[in-house]
Amino acid sequence: ETGVTQTPRHLVMGMTNKKSLKCEQHLGHNAMYWYKQSAKKPLELMFVYNFKEQTENNSVPSRFSPECPNSSHLFLHLHTLQPEDSALYLCASSQANRADTQYFGPGTRLTVL
Amino acid sequence: DQQVKQNSPSLSVQEGRISILNCDYTNSMFDYFLWYKKYPAEGPTFLISISSIKDKNEDGRFTVFLNKSAKHLSLHIVPSQPGDSAVYFCAASLKNRDDKIIFGKGTRLHILP
Repeated sequence: ETGVTQTPRHLVMGMTNKKSLKCEQHLGHNAMYWYKQSAKKPLELMFVYNFKEQTENNSVPSRFSPECPNSSHLFLHLHTLQPEDSALYLCASSQANRADTQYFGPGTRLTVL
Repeated sequence: DQQVKQNSPSLSVQEGRISILNCDYTNSMFDYFLWYKKYPAEGPTFLISISSIKDKNEDGRFTVFLNKSAKHLSLHIVPSQPGDSAVYFCAASLKNRDDKIIFGKGTRLHILP
């Protein structure tokens, strides 16, 4: 595998389910990001991790819980989501504190029923 | 309130002609600007960038122009090719916040045969 990979690519879940999104980077980067892309809205930054430490939480509701066990892996744990949380969730990685060097994964298309 | 605005949701251009994508920003503290390109089912990929100390940056068929007084930048693609059909995101980062990039909503470019 090369670059940034995300699994699953598509996810459909009910509002009472608990699921997790996974991101893995193979670029030797030390920063990882979660973004949300909703229809007709800008790409919204959710969380940033540098060297496994969270450095940004962009007022994201607690039903989204990130986890960064090491510099290569990033998870987004989901529970009791709402239909308006349906979106494309993109992961990215970069050199530490250098968002301008970001590489993005292909995204997970999430649908909340 | 959006800090990076792409007011044209879509644009159609004849193959071989010039494509001009526009972007406006509101925050005068932005000092670095980027353009990303996104194909369906893929994550955004970096295309070209410009620092606020410059007013033009060129890379092959792609040129970005920055007008700081108008808080406006534009991406020129010439000549346009079928493979340029994609969504283009304008993005900006703040002085001393290299770990965060703020994106616009994107403009979908269609290159017509």
